[in-house]
Amino acid sequence: LAKTTQPISMDSYEGQEVNITCSHNNIATNDYITWYQQFPSQGPRFIIQGYKTKVTNEVASLFIPADRKSSTLSLPRVSLSDTAVYYCLVGDRNSGGYQKVTFGIGTKLQVIP
Amino acid sequence: NAGVTQTPKFRVLKTGQSMTLLCAQDMNHEYMYWYRQDPGMGLRLIHYSVGEGTTAKGEVPDGYNVSRLKKQNFLLGLESAAPSQTSVYFCASNSGTGGWSEQFFGPGTRLTVL
Repeated sequence: LAKTTQPISMDSYEGQEVNITCSHNNIATNDYITWYQQFPSQGPRFIIQGYKTKVTNEVASLFIPADRKSSTLSLPRVSLSDTAVYYCLVGDRNSGGYQKVTFGIGTKLQVIP
Repeated sequence: NAGVTQTPKFRVLKTGQSMTLLCAQDMNHEYMYWYRQDPGMGLRLIHYSVGEGTTAKGEVPDGYNVSRLKKQNFLLGLESAAPSQTSVYFCASNSGTGGWSEQFFGPGTRLTVL
């Protein structure tokens, strides 16, 4: 499993764009990058997934450079409700239903009024 | 759909007591997982199941047993609770059809072992 490294914590003011970068130097050819969000006292929930270049949905954007050794989760114009822990996961999308992924410590984002 | 539910939400045990945590999902998912989350440790996989009647060990299986007698339920048992098992336990499931699918998590069970 490719190891991921991300900042332990970040602070941001409301209305700002937040970029959380995840490093995964040993990512394999078949690996996809997936981000989950966890609010306090809740289980994680899926945000976005990508393989390369850029992926965007209604919640966030995911930027992946050509070498795929890192990825950046971008949250536009954050609000207080975006305060949460964000996990970067790397795993083989084609391994079948069971997901061999590791949830690390994640990045604790604190949005400040 | 209720999604993934966990019972109970909170529990306090004394060392040596036993208990069972119940996870139920109504999405007809094949795959189910039990994780524990400790402060500063992220989520760690305890056991998982790839279908009814199957179970397998994850990263930290010692001290736990699991059963998947019905497709919708995944039980986590502690035979003799220890203070080191104080944690928040999350259950998750995913469909596994068509390759990758997101995991859906339950609300968690907060367990304290005295």
